[in-house]
Amino acid sequence: AQKVTQAQTEISVVEKEDVTLDCVYETRDTTYYLFWYKQPPSGELVFLIRRNSFDEQNEISGRYSWNFQKSTSSFNFTITASQVVDSAVYFCALAGGSARQLTFGSGTQLTVLP
Amino acid sequence: ETGVTQTPRHLVMGMTNKKSLKCEQHLGHNAMYWYKQSAKKPLELMFVYSLEERVENNSVPSRFSPECPNSSHLFLHLHTLQPEDSALYLCASSQDAFGLSTDTQYFGPGTRLTVL
Repeated sequence: AQKVTQAQTEISVVEKEDVTLDCVYETRDTTYYLFWYKQPPSGELVFLIRRNSFDEQNEISGRYSWNFQKSTSSFNFTITASQVVDSAVYFCALAGGSARQLTFGSGTQLTVLP
Repeated sequence: ETGVTQTPRHLVMGMTNKKSLKCEQHLGHNAMYWYKQSAKKPLELMFVYSLEERVENNSVPSRFSPECPNSSHLFLHLHTLQPEDSALYLCASSQDAFGLSTDTQYFGPGTRLTVL
């Protein structure tokens, strides 16, 4: 069975602080994919990144960066110099060959205060 | 229109009403999905359609009835719903009909449903 754990239910930071959202996953598949989505108050899930299990290089996209560590089954997401517009619920998700559906974590509510 | 659109954005209905949710994707994708997002619960996959054929049905009550007339449109027909069915219903689509679980899914803005 696949499982995604986002232990941080809510995080609150002040604008310009850096913040890291944790994601730990469980799977028996050797090939799998990890995702991050952002859900602002409007409701739409916005795709941020997709990473396959064979690519452990860290990724940076503007103020966003992702740290994939297979050894600890983690795929953490860092926002540098956070902004109020980053306030949203962030979901980590896992997809693998044995499961025919995307498994989502419970989400982390990030609030960035001005 | 671009991406995935959903109508209506908000819907209030009584338990005896019949209504339909509509989803349209403008991405040329081959698979479409319905999810339910309730407060304090993870996203729940309800249905998956690939090339207009239903391929997944995750033990959803029969009061929810999906329809996929073509690869761009997906409907969710609702009848005799219960108050606990109140939730955000999200539609998504993905490119590859055969890599259903691993392909990136793109989501619409959702329909906020309230059942009185």
